[in-house]
Amino acid sequence: DAKTTQPPSMDCAEGRAANLPCNHSTISGNEYVYWYRQIHSQGPQYIIHGLKNNETNEMASLIITEDRKSSTLILPHATLRDTAVYYCIVRVVVGLPGGFKTIFGAGTRLFVKA
Amino acid sequence: NAGVTQTPKFRVLKTGQSMTLLCAQDMNHEYMYWYRQDPGMGLRLIHYSVGEGTTAKGEVPDGYNVSRLKKQNFLLGLESAAPSQTSVYFCASSYSGLAGNTGELFFGEGSRLTVL
Repeated sequence: DAKTTQPPSMDCAEGRAANLPCNHSTISGNEYVYWYRQIHSQGPQYIIHGLKNNETNEMASLIITEDRKSSTLILPHATLRDTAVYYCIVRVVVGLPGGFKTIFGAGTRLFVKA
Repeated sequence: NAGVTQTPKFRVLKTGQSMTLLCAQDMNHEYMYWYRQDPGMGLRLIHYSVGEGTTAKGEVPDGYNVSRLKKQNFLLGLESAAPSQTSVYFCASSYSGLAGNTGELFFGEGSRLTVL
């Protein structure tokens, strides 16, 4: 699986958009980009995923560059409850045996401030 | 629908003792994973399974064994616990991503293990 690089921490003002970047320059053609977040010491929670098109759901938007080497998770109106660690991972969804390892990096710790 | 259930949630062991963590999922997922998370760090993959009867090593498999005898259960064993294995352990499961599902991972609430 390709590795990802994220900034260790970011701040965001409450009510503003939070833009969390992720670099995955070695991503291969059959790997999807997934975003999860972990609040306190709970189990990580799925946010969104995509292959090459931009995606939006009720939680966030995912912007993937045309070359797929990087992506940005956008929380449009951050609240205090969005303070968490956000993980960007790349993962084979349909692939060869051994390709389903799902590796998490250190993530980005987002602090939403009032 | 309970999702992913981990037992026990807390355990204290002495060095050299053995124990098994149980992960159970009721979503008929093919894939299951065991991660550990040390304070202030991300999740590290220990072992994973892509189907009943199959397991594979992750990033940090040493000192752990796993078994997947039934599709719904994934067991993580520590044969001789060491203080370095003090951590929070998370189990996760997912569909394969075929048939239009998202392939997202569903996580349990975690098991806190302390080895003295």
